Amino acid sequence: GENVEQHPSTLSVQEGDSAVIKCTYSDSASNYFPWYKQELGKRPQLIIDIRSNVGEKKDQRIAVTLNKTAKHFSLHITETQPEDSAVYFCAARKMAAGNKLTFGGGTRVLVKP
Amino acid sequence: GAVVSQHPSRVICKSGTSVKIECRSLDFQATTMFWYRQFPKQSLMLMATSNEGSKATYEQGVEKDKFLINHASLTLSTLTVTSAHPEDSSFYICSALGGTLEAFFGQGTRLTVV
Repeated sequence: GENVEQHPSTLSVQEGDSAVIKCTYSDSASNYFPWYKQELGKRPQLIIDIRSNVGEKKDQRIAVTLNKTAKHFSLHITETQPEDSAVYFCAARKMAAGNKLTFGGGTRVLVKP
Repeated sequence: GAVVSQHPSRVICKSGTSVKIECRSLDFQATTMFWYRQFPKQSLMLMATSNEGSKATYEQGVEKDKFLINHASLTLSTLTVTSAHPEDSSFYICSALGGTLEAFFGQGTRLTVV
């Protein structure tokens, strides 16, 4: 089955700096890669996603890049703000696998004011 | 975006009793829902895939007789933790697939078995 690894597990940045989280996946057939933000005790919220026919996608301060050849994808947050502090999860999915999402281990991001 | 409602948000039960958790898609129909378990400071672990009108598909290592899943309609899936024990204490989250196959999550249920 699919295996998704996520690094780093914790990330501390100064407000205004950029944060980068990287994920690798094992199944080359995976074709959908969402990123979720989860605040303590709350539901994961989709913040951005990318499909395998696209190499990069941007939404204001958030961007995701995908390298299908290397099987890795990254989340970039620019101009970080304290409210960006949360746990971020990457995930991968292939349509033939019952649409199941396989999650990375998560990255705890702390933005210091 | 679409809304998924999970109930209850918190529940405390005694060892040996059963607890039912509901997951509802409020403004869309979901033929597929998923149930996850999340331990503190850990990732979401898929327990099972719930398909409307058919039996759930359980992930390896998840006891189907322990975690009963019913998906009786296109807007409701239920997870029943039977004969609960303290080790079943956890955060349980459901998600439902929308028409674009985006996954929408419920708010989660914190189960404490005493």
